[in-house]
Amino acid sequence: EPEVTQTPSHQVTQMGQEVILRCVPISNHLYFYWYRQILGQKVEFLVSFYNNEISEKSEIFDDQFSVERPDGSNFTLKIRSTKLEDSAMYFCASSAARHFSDDYGYTFGSGTRLTVV
Amino acid sequence: ELKVEQNPLFLSMQEGKNYTIYCNYSTTSDRLYWYRQDPGKSLESLFVLLSNGAVKQEGRLMASLDTKARLSTLHITAAVHDLSATYFCAVSDFGNEKLTFGTGTRLTIIP
Repeated sequence: EPEVTQTPSHQVTQMGQEVILRCVPISNHLYFYWYRQILGQKVEFLVSFYNNEISEKSEIFDDQFSVERPDGSNFTLKIRSTKLEDSAMYFCASSAARHFSDDYGYTFGSGTRLTVV
Repeated sequence: ELKVEQNPLFLSMQEGKNYTIYCNYSTTSDRLYWYRQDPGKSLESLFVLLSNGAVKQEGRLMASLDTKARLSTLHITAAVHDLSATYFCAVSDFGNEKLTFGTGTRLTIIP
């Protein structure tokens, strides 16, 4: 079964450092997303990406965050200057073209646990 | 703004018992998901519900959707220990690709 792959699985970084989280979405999917989950809390939407541009972003996704699809397969989330409160699990997801069907394929990756110290 | 509420937040139940988790959402939606999450793990898709009256079952879990009441339920039948996990519902708004998640229900099945 196709998977969304995320690397690394765990990253520890010092406050103020830049981090890049990487994702390989499912190959025929067109929509890409980042979500985050602070330990013990619910999953929160960060950003959606379609046709090489951001289609929607949340209030959390401020100027410190950026996303990029540098080639045909990778989708990255960059945090420019990490803060302690950025510590969370970050999930990448992808979905097929929007249609009203069970086969929408909204699939989450295994996540990257980011720890800012 | 779409709001999604789940209850209960915590549920401890004995093996063999039945129980229901509730998911209420605030605006019309075209799609409702149920996910399972084990500690430190990713989100495993359980069900996608697309229309009013939709009912889906997989093993001891059954999900239903009432779009008029803006309510989905996840029913657990004859619980077993392996079902211990956190369960999230998530809703997508019409014309919108993002998912809004509920607060989650941490389910613990006691032998």
